Amino acid sequence: ELKVEQNPLFLSMQEGKNYTIYCNYSTTSDRLYWYRQDPGKSLESLFVLLSNGAVKQEGRLMASLDTKARLSTLHITAAVHDLSATYFCAVDGDYGGATNKLIFGTGTLLAVQP
Amino acid sequence: KAGVTQTPRYLIKTRGQQVTLSCSPISGHRSVSWYQQTPGQGLQFLFEYFSETQRNKGNFPGRFSGRQFSNSRSEMNVSTLELGDSALYLCASSVRSTYYEQYFGPGTRLTVT
Repeated sequence: ELKVEQNPLFLSMQEGKNYTIYCNYSTTSDRLYWYRQDPGKSLESLFVLLSNGAVKQEGRLMASLDTKARLSTLHITAAVHDLSATYFCAVDGDYGGATNKLIFGTGTLLAVQP
Repeated sequence: KAGVTQTPRYLIKTRGQQVTLSCSPISGHRSVSWYQQTPGQGLQFLFEYFSETQRNKGNFPGRFSGRQFSNSRSEMNVSTLELGDSALYLCASSVRSTYYEQYFGPGTRLTVT
Protein backbone atom coordinates (compact mmCIF):
# COMPACT_ATOMS: atom_id res chain seq x y z
CA GLU A 1 0.00 0.00 0.00
CA LEU A 2 1.35 3.38 -0.98
CA LYS A 3 2.10 5.61 1.97
CA VAL A 4 3.03 9.26 2.04
CA GLU A 5 4.50 10.62 5.24
CA GLN A 6 5.21 14.19 6.12
CA ASN A 7 7.18 15.60 8.97
CA PRO A 8 6.86 17.47 11.06
CA LEU A 9 3.10 17.36 11.54
CA PHE A 10 3.15 20.71 13.27
CA LEU A 11 5.69 23.47 12.88
CA SER A 12 5.75 26.65 14.89
CA MET A 13 8.35 29.06 13.67
CA GLN A 14 9.28 32.67 14.09
CA GLU A 15 9.11 35.20 11.33
CA GLY A 16 12.39 35.50 9.50
CA LYS A 17 13.51 31.94 10.21
CA ASN A 18 14.12 29.13 7.73
CA TYR A 19 12.77 25.63 7.91
CA THR A 20 12.11 22.53 5.83
CA ILE A 21 9.13 20.20 5.55
CA TYR A 22 9.88 16.64 4.47
CA CYS A 23 7.71 14.32 2.43
CA ASN A 24 8.60 10.63 2.10
CA TYR A 25 6.67 8.19 -0.03
CA SER A 26 6.83 4.44 -0.26
CA THR A 27 6.56 3.53 -3.91
CA THR A 28 7.79 4.45 -7.34
CA SER A 29 6.63 7.83 -8.51
CA ASP A 30 8.36 10.49 -10.53
CA ARG A 31 5.82 13.18 -9.88
CA LEU A 32 5.05 14.98 -6.69
CA TYR A 33 2.65 17.77 -5.86
CA TRP A 34 2.57 20.34 -3.09
CA TYR A 35 -0.65 22.01 -1.99
CA ARG A 36 -1.51 24.68 0.54
CA GLN A 37 -4.73 24.77 2.52
CA ASP A 38 -5.91 27.68 4.62
CA PRO A 39 -8.38 26.96 7.44
CA GLY A 40 -11.81 26.13 6.09
CA LYS A 41 -10.62 26.55 2.51
CA SER A 42 -9.83 24.32 -0.42
CA LEU A 43 -6.46 23.20 -1.72
CA GLU A 44 -4.26 25.59 -3.65
CA SER A 45 -1.66 24.09 -5.94
CA LEU A 46 1.85 25.29 -5.13
CA PHE A 47 4.23 23.11 -7.09
CA VAL A 48 4.18 20.21 -9.50
CA LEU A 49 7.52 18.37 -9.59
CA LEU A 50 7.77 16.20 -12.64
CA SER A 51 11.15 14.48 -12.53
CA ASN A 52 14.06 13.48 -10.39
CA GLY A 53 16.10 16.48 -9.36
CA ALA A 54 13.31 18.94 -10.10
CA VAL A 55 13.48 22.17 -8.13
CA LYS A 56 10.87 24.89 -8.20
CA GLN A 57 10.72 28.18 -6.34
CA GLU A 58 7.96 30.67 -5.75
CA GLY A 59 8.61 33.53 -3.41
CA ARG A 60 9.79 32.22 -0.06
CA LEU A 61 8.99 28.60 -0.91
CA MET A 62 11.22 26.15 -2.73
CA ALA A 63 10.38 22.53 -3.46
CA SER A 64 12.64 19.74 -4.64
CA LEU A 65 12.25 16.10 -5.57
CA ASP A 66 14.63 13.16 -5.22
CA THR A 67 12.87 10.15 -6.71
CA LYS A 68 15.69 7.77 -5.83
CA ALA A 69 15.35 8.61 -2.16
CA ARG A 70 11.57 8.93 -2.56
CA LEU A 71 11.82 12.27 -0.83
CA SER A 72 10.57 15.75 -1.49
CA THR A 73 11.31 18.84 0.56
CA LEU A 74 9.53 22.14 0.88
CA HIS A 75 11.92 24.79 2.14
CA ILE A 76 10.67 27.99 3.68
CA THR A 77 12.99 30.97 3.64
CA ALA A 78 12.56 33.93 5.99
CA ALA A 79 9.04 32.95 7.00
CA VAL A 80 6.29 35.53 7.20
CA HIS A 81 2.91 35.26 8.91
CA ASP A 82 1.08 34.96 5.58
CA LEU A 83 2.67 31.55 5.08
CA SER A 84 0.73 30.12 8.02
CA ALA A 85 -1.37 27.28 6.59
CA THR A 86 -1.40 23.51 6.24
CA TYR A 87 0.88 22.13 3.55
CA PHE A 88 0.24 18.79 1.86
CA CYS A 89 2.38 16.75 -0.45
CA ALA A 90 0.81 14.19 -2.75
CA VAL A 91 2.00 11.53 -5.19
CA ASP A 92 0.34 9.67 -8.00
CA GLY A 93 -1.52 6.71 -6.59
CA ASP A 94 -1.73 4.91 -9.91
CA TYR A 95 1.79 5.17 -11.23
CA GLY A 96 2.02 3.89 -14.75
CA GLY A 97 -1.73 3.79 -14.93
CA ALA A 98 -4.18 6.10 -16.54
CA THR A 99 -5.88 7.94 -13.74
CA ASN A 100 -5.48 11.05 -11.64
CA LYS A 101 -5.61 9.38 -8.23
CA LEU A 102 -3.54 11.31 -5.69
CA ILE A 103 -2.33 9.96 -2.37
CA PHE A 104 -1.87 12.76 0.12
CA GLY A 105 0.47 13.07 3.04
CA THR A 106 -0.76 13.81 6.52
CA GLY A 107 -0.18 17.51 6.16
CA THR A 108 2.07 19.91 8.04
CA LEU A 109 0.41 22.69 9.99
CA LEU A 110 2.69 25.69 9.81
CA ALA A 111 2.23 28.53 12.28
CA VAL A 112 4.47 31.53 11.81
CA GLN A 113 4.71 33.64 14.93
CA PRO A 114 5.57 37.34 14.81
CA LYS B 1 -11.51 31.39 -16.59
CA ALA B 2 -13.92 30.26 -13.91
CA GLY B 3 -12.61 27.77 -11.41
CA VAL B 4 -14.08 24.53 -10.16
CA THR B 5 -17.45 25.05 -8.53
CA GLN B 6 -19.19 22.83 -6.05
CA THR B 7 -22.73 22.93 -4.77
CA PRO B 8 -23.98 23.08 -2.17
CA ARG B 9 -21.22 24.53 -0.03
CA TYR B 10 -22.72 23.40 3.25
CA LEU B 11 -25.13 20.62 4.01
CA ILE B 12 -26.63 19.13 7.14
CA LYS B 13 -28.23 15.71 6.91
CA THR B 14 -29.54 13.08 9.29
CA ARG B 15 -28.24 9.55 9.63
CA GLY B 16 -29.86 7.23 7.15
CA GLN B 17 -30.58 9.92 4.59
CA GLN B 18 -28.88 10.20 1.25
CA VAL B 19 -27.10 13.17 -0.28
CA THR B 20 -26.00 14.29 -3.73
CA LEU B 21 -23.12 16.69 -4.25
CA SER B 22 -22.36 18.44 -7.50
CA CYS B 23 -19.12 19.53 -9.13
CA SER B 24 -18.63 21.63 -12.25
CA PRO B 25 -15.08 21.43 -13.58
CA ILE B 26 -13.09 24.14 -15.25
CA SER B 27 -14.22 24.61 -18.84
CA GLY B 28 -12.39 22.18 -21.09
CA HIS B 29 -11.42 19.84 -18.27
CA ARG B 30 -12.64 16.30 -18.76
CA SER B 31 -11.36 14.61 -15.62
CA VAL B 32 -13.10 15.03 -12.28
CA SER B 33 -11.83 13.44 -9.09
CA TRP B 34 -13.47 13.38 -5.69
CA TYR B 35 -11.75 13.40 -2.30
CA GLN B 36 -12.95 13.17 1.26
CA GLN B 37 -11.17 15.15 3.96
CA THR B 38 -11.64 14.38 7.64
CA PRO B 39 -9.51 15.25 10.68
CA GLY B 40 -8.93 11.58 11.42
CA GLN B 41 -8.25 10.11 7.99
CA GLY B 42 -6.96 13.15 6.16
CA LEU B 43 -7.45 13.48 2.42
CA GLN B 44 -8.63 10.29 0.77
CA PHE B 45 -9.34 9.59 -2.88
CA LEU B 46 -12.91 8.56 -3.62
CA PHE B 47 -13.07 8.15 -7.39
CA GLU B 48 -12.21 9.70 -10.71
CA TYR B 49 -14.31 10.16 -13.81
CA PHE B 50 -13.09 10.85 -17.28
CA SER B 51 -15.36 11.16 -20.30
CA GLU B 52 -18.30 9.80 -18.30
CA THR B 53 -16.39 6.67 -17.24
CA GLN B 54 -15.18 5.86 -13.76
CA ARG B 55 -11.43 5.36 -14.13
CA ASN B 56 -10.45 4.60 -10.59
CA LYS B 57 -12.08 4.08 -7.21
CA GLY B 58 -10.74 4.46 -3.71
CA ASN B 59 -11.34 2.22 -0.75
CA PHE B 60 -14.82 3.34 0.19
CA PRO B 61 -18.00 1.33 0.68
CA GLY B 62 -20.55 1.00 -2.07
CA ARG B 63 -22.70 3.66 -0.41
CA PHE B 64 -20.44 6.14 -2.15
CA SER B 65 -21.11 6.45 -5.85
CA GLY B 66 -20.71 8.98 -8.57
CA ARG B 67 -21.29 9.77 -12.16
CA GLN B 68 -20.21 12.21 -14.82
CA PHE B 69 -22.31 13.82 -17.48
CA SER B 70 -21.48 14.58 -21.08
CA ASN B 71 -20.64 18.19 -20.17
CA SER B 72 -18.07 16.84 -17.65
CA ARG B 73 -20.10 17.92 -14.64
CA SER B 74 -20.00 15.30 -11.94
CA GLU B 75 -22.14 14.27 -9.03
CA MET B 76 -21.39 12.06 -6.09
CA ASN B 77 -24.00 10.36 -4.01
CA VAL B 78 -23.80 8.96 -0.52
CA SER B 79 -26.64 6.74 0.57
CA THR B 80 -27.61 5.69 4.08
CA LEU B 81 -25.50 8.39 5.69
CA GLU B 82 -23.47 7.60 8.77
CA LEU B 83 -22.02 9.98 11.33
CA GLY B 84 -18.56 9.15 10.02
CA ASP B 85 -19.46 10.55 6.61
CA SER B 86 -19.24 14.06 8.04
CA ALA B 87 -16.40 15.60 6.08
CA LEU B 88 -15.28 18.15 3.57
CA TYR B 89 -15.82 16.72 0.09
CA LEU B 90 -13.52 18.18 -2.51
CA CYS B 91 -13.63 17.73 -6.20
CA ALA B 92 -10.76 18.42 -8.53
CA SER B 93 -10.66 18.81 -12.26
CA SER B 94 -7.91 18.22 -14.74
CA VAL B 95 -7.48 18.70 -18.44
CA ARG B 96 -7.25 15.02 -19.04
CA SER B 97 -6.56 11.82 -17.27
CA THR B 98 -3.05 10.96 -16.11
CA TYR B 99 -0.43 13.19 -14.60
CA TYR B 100 -1.96 16.55 -15.21
CA GLU B 101 -2.26 19.16 -12.52
CA GLN B 102 -5.51 19.03 -10.64
CA TYR B 103 -7.43 22.12 -9.58
CA PHE B 104 -9.59 21.85 -6.53
CA GLY B 105 -12.99 23.33 -5.88
CA PRO B 106 -14.03 25.04 -2.64
CA GLY B 107 -15.57 21.86 -1.26
CA THR B 108 -18.87 20.85 0.25
CA ARG B 109 -18.96 20.64 4.02
CA LEU B 110 -21.30 17.77 4.95
CA THR B 111 -22.43 17.35 8.52
CA VAL B 112 -24.37 14.22 9.47
CA THR B 113 -26.33 14.37 12.71
